[in-house]
Amino acid sequence: AQSVSQHNHHVILSEAASLELGCNYSYGGTVNLFWYVQYPGQHLQLLLKYFSGDPLVKGIKGFEAEFIKSKFSFNLRKPSVQWSDTAEYFCAVNVYSSASKIIFGSGTRLSIRP
Amino acid sequence: SQTIHQWPATLVQPVGSPLSLECTVEGTSNPNLYWYRQAAGRGLQLLFYSVGIGQISSEVPQNLSASRPQDRQFILSSKKLLLSDSGFYLCAWSKAVEQFFGPGTRLTVL
Repeated sequence: AQSVSQHNHHVILSEAASLELGCNYSYGGTVNLFWYVQYPGQHLQLLLKYFSGDPLVKGIKGFEAEFIKSKFSFNLRKPSVQWSDTAEYFCAVNVYSSASKIIFGSGTRLSIRP
Repeated sequence: SQTIHQWPATLVQPVGSPLSLECTVEGTSNPNLYWYRQAAGRGLQLLFYSVGIGQISSEVPQNLSASRPQDRQFILSSKKLLLSDSGFYLCAWSKAVEQFFGPGTRLTVL
């Protein structure tokens, strides 16, 4: 069965530090990849997505992610975090054989020290 | 534009009582609909999804059931709640692949 692994459960950084959150998935075929974010007290919302084309995708609020097919990875990055980036981040994958379903990782809680 | 509503926002129920959580979507037709449960440290677990009225797919065996009586209405139910049913329940919709989430319902079973 397909699965998504997020390696860090809780990451604590200071403002202006660089961020990289790891995500690996298990599926050998074509995939669509997502990062969702849940700010405290808010809806889960899409941060960025990869369907095809340039493996480096840019999302909202200065986030980007790189799809590395050979590593089955889709890591999320931001060069300089802000206190407002405090949130929970979820990596997710959709496989073409199950067009209606998205499988989510367990999430990474990001805490930014002001 | 499309919006998704869930109610109630919070719910406290005794063990053994029934449950009904409702989700409705506005501004689109024939969406795919989903119920997830979010537990701390365990991410989002897909419980049910539906690609049309009366069509329900269950992802995990459990004490819950889902129904889709109308195109844009998705209901999560239980006849008798268990303590383990406590959690945060999210409804989502999609037309293609990307999913859009509702505000969620916090359920506490005592």
